[in-house]
Amino acid sequence: EPEVTQTPSHQVTQMGQEVILRCVPISNHLYFYWYRQILGQKVEFLVSFYNNEISEKSEIFDDQFSVERPDGSNFTLKIRSTKLEDSAMYFCASLGLAGEPTTDTQYFGPGTRLTVL
Amino acid sequence: DQQVKQNSPSLSVQEGRISILNCDYTNSMFDYFLWYKKYPAEGPTFLISISSIKDKNEDGRFTVFLNKSAKHLSLHIVPSQPGDSAVYFCAASEGGAQKLVFGQGTRLTINP
Repeated sequence: EPEVTQTPSHQVTQMGQEVILRCVPISNHLYFYWYRQILGQKVEFLVSFYNNEISEKSEIFDDQFSVERPDGSNFTLKIRSTKLEDSAMYFCASLGLAGEPTTDTQYFGPGTRLTVL
Repeated sequence: DQQVKQNSPSLSVQEGRISILNCDYTNSMFDYFLWYKKYPAEGPTFLISISSIKDKNEDGRFTVFLNKSAKHLSLHIVPSQPGDSAVYFCAASEGGAQKLVFGQGTRLTINP
């Protein structure tokens, strides 16, 4: 069964460093998302991406964040200068094509645990 | 911003019995609702969904009920099995490819 994959599973970085989190969405999906979950809190939306551009972003997604689909398979989230409060689980999700039985269902990857020291 | 609320942080149910997880929402623009199951250190796994044009959707042991007038949905699991022990998240969207808004989650424990 197709699945969303994410690398690395765990990333440790120093405050102020840049990190890139990688995702491979389900093949042929068109919509891509990043969410995060700070320990003990709810899963919260960061950004959605369609047709090679951001379709919506939350107030969390400030100028330190960027997303890119550098090729036909990868979808990346970059944090330019990490802060302590960026420590969280980051989840990538993708959503399928119209006509599929579960068109409106987002499928999630296993997540990347980001630890900022 | 508490557009989606799961008021029970935890629920304990005996194996074989029915588990009922509840979720309330405030945004009347939501028209698609989903339940995800999550194990520690894993991503949310899709369980079942319901569109606002329906009031019930069933898939095997899982049934989701939607009460639009009360802005309430529930997930019924029957019979409950030990493997159902996990955190369950309710999520809602305004449909299509819109972002998901999640509840805080309910930790379900199935006791043998």
